[in-house]
Amino acid sequence: QQQVRQSPQSLTVWEGETAILNCSYENSAFDYFPWYQQFPGEGPALLISILSVSNKKEDGRFTIFFNKREKKLSLHIADSQPGDSATYFCAASAHYGNEKITFGAGTKLTIKP
Amino acid sequence: GPKVLQIPSHQIIDMGQMVTLNCDPVSNHLYFYWYKQILGQQMEFLVNFYNGKVMEKSKLFKDQFSVERPDGSYFTLKIQPTALEDSAVYFCASSPHRGLTGQLYFGEGSKLTVL
Repeated sequence: QQQVRQSPQSLTVWEGETAILNCSYENSAFDYFPWYQQFPGEGPALLISILSVSNKKEDGRFTIFFNKREKKLSLHIADSQPGDSATYFCAASAHYGNEKITFGAGTKLTIKP
Repeated sequence: GPKVLQIPSHQIIDMGQMVTLNCDPVSNHLYFYWYKQILGQQMEFLVNFYNGKVMEKSKLFKDQFSVERPDGSYFTLKIQPTALEDSAVYFCASSPHRGLTGQLYFGEGSKLTVL
């Protein structure tokens, strides 16, 4: 049973467009949601994160929108660049902890110049 | 940024053999983790480790699995004996603290192929 689901599995957008990556979860105890970015041949790296007490978190071109009632969140990448091409993992944990993180299967994003 | 190194990057072994995956965590980090990723699927938590002890492990952390960090050297994941379903990429991670103050830093993964 997947506790964190991501869609789409892969996404292609043109340079300059906004890429929207979706995520949903099942466990109501989840209260911390990091997004990880992974380039081929590298390990995942923390990109941006949000706590369940917030409904929006911005960091430069990256924004998380969070809907606690619907158990959904999304990552928006504005003015997308070819260098943003990577796999993005939505993740979640409970009790504001990082000790045991549940990952989604990832969205492979390709930015076309 | 801080780097977590994993050795080997890829290992192929026969079913039933023992394998040790090595992780060199970030130098001042105190908490260590192993995650397992089967091709095309999500990364799944295996175990976390602090102060010489396993703090929490998942159902995936079978009896054949063990972890240790002797004398502050490599943080290792040992599988003995290996099974076909152990084929996956294993990611090591480390963090300086627990909770939100402790960002996880991941290595590049060790791909294990069990024949």
